Amino acid sequence: DAGITQSPRYKITETGRQVTLMCHQTWSHSYMFWYRQDLGHGLRLIYYSAAADITDKGEVPDGYVVSRSKTENFPLTLESATRSQTSVYFCASSGRGLNNSPLHFGNGTRLTVT
Amino acid sequence: TQLLEQSPQFLSIQEGENLTVYCNSSSVFSSLQWYRQEPGEGPVLLVTVVTGGEVKKLKRLTFQFGDARKDSSLHITAAQPGDTGLYLCAGHGGAQKLVFGQGTRLTINP
Repeated sequence: DAGITQSPRYKITETGRQVTLMCHQTWSHSYMFWYRQDLGHGLRLIYYSAAADITDKGEVPDGYVVSRSKTENFPLTLESATRSQTSVYFCASSGRGLNNSPLHFGNGTRLTVT
Repeated sequence: TQLLEQSPQFLSIQEGENLTVYCNSSSVFSSLQWYRQEPGEGPVLLVTVVTGGEVKKLKRLTFQFGDARKDSSLHITAAQPGDTGLYLCAGHGGAQKLVFGQGTRLTINP
């Protein structure tokens, strides 16, 4: 089915472990985004990508790494997970960027760091 | 730093009542979006307002962008249980940055 899919839906990991959240979209959208959603903070941008091999920091990038070797995939890696990274993570895509096209969100990954 | 303050954060009303959710900032935004989010799902775009003073209607939902493009409101007429959800406003602050409000969790009781 066309759309944007995130995996896994739920993940529990321990402090200090590396974990990668996956995001795949079938629309061939140029722009992809990672947000985290926390109570009282709304959604905050972690990283975004304008095209394959082009990434840029958002509001809260520390502790996260992204890559975009293919247009359709935009994985987010927590290199050494901390409890403060417990959150719900949303991937999103946009065809031509926020100036010209809407944002489409995946259904999120709920990450718990123990 | 651009901030968007949403109020109220929680709202529980009876079916058939009207309600208004507010989204305020001291910053000017080039556009403002409203999203609705169901439990376990990502936000879904409802509307984008671009021009100061613009009003858009989506069935029983009315969205307004302030004249100075610093604030917005969402008014729901004759609320129904199906309107229950988390409503988020988001301001386009330039480039690829969307500034989100904290959200309003709306519950419509039958």
